[in-house]
Amino acid sequence: GAVVSQHPSRVICKSGTSVKIECRSLDFQATTMFWYRQFPKQSLMLMATSNEGSKATYEQGVEKDKFLINHASLTLSTLTVTSAHPEDSSFYICSARAPYGGLYEQYFGPGTRLTVT
Amino acid sequence: QQQVKQSPQSLIVQKGGISIINCAYENTAFDYFPWYQQFPGKGPALLIAIRPDVSEKKEGRFTISFNKSAKQFSLHIMDSQPGDSATYFCAAANAGGTSYGKLTFGQGTILTVHP
Repeated sequence: GAVVSQHPSRVICKSGTSVKIECRSLDFQATTMFWYRQFPKQSLMLMATSNEGSKATYEQGVEKDKFLINHASLTLSTLTVTSAHPEDSSFYICSARAPYGGLYEQYFGPGTRLTVT
Repeated sequence: QQQVKQSPQSLIVQKGGISIINCAYENTAFDYFPWYQQFPGKGPALLIAIRPDVSEKKEGRFTISFNKSAKQFSLHIMDSQPGDSATYFCAAANAGGTSYGKLTFGQGTILTVHP
C-alpha cells in the first residue's frame, strides 16, 4: 500500500514552454502533498506544500507564479513549470501524507527528470 | 536553526561491515527523525524513523541511535551488502507553527559497499 506515482518520469522541453507534472496517490487519499526539487548529488529542497481544495503554501524563495501547484482532488496534485528555462532543469519529486501514518509519514513518488534545452 | 547537518558526505564499506552515518540538529522542537534511502533516478524511501522519547530503534539490519542531549542521531547498517549502496538522507520534522510536519533533510551520504 501507500504508492505514489508521478507522470511523466522524464520530460525534455524547449526554453520558454510550460511543463506539467502529475503526482498521484494510487491507493490512498492524500489531503496533503509536497513538492521537492533535487539537483544532482544534492539534497531534497521543499518547494511547496499542497493541500486539497486550497492554495499551495510555497517555501521562501520559490516563485509561485513560476511553479504553479494545483491539488484538485484527494489523489492528484500537479506542478506546472511555466516559461521553463535551463536553470529549471532538475529532478522534481512529490510526496503524499498518508492519512493513517500520522502527521509525519510521507510516501514519495519516483520523481520526474526535467531537462530544459 | 532548521538545518540538519549530515556526515560523512561519502562512505565506502566492505561487504559485511558496519556503515555509520551521523546527523546533528539545532532545533529542539524537532520530534520526528526519519532516515531515507534513495537509489539513482528514484524517489527516496523511508527506512526507519525514531521519536525523541527513545534512544534506539532497530529494524532488521538498520538501527537508529538517538542522543537527545547532544542533538544527534545516527544510522547504523549492520552486515552491509552491495545492495545497500545508495544515498542516505536523514531528516527531521516538528509539528509546531508553520513547520507542521514538513521534513528538513540532511545533505545526504553516498554509501558504497564493496563486495
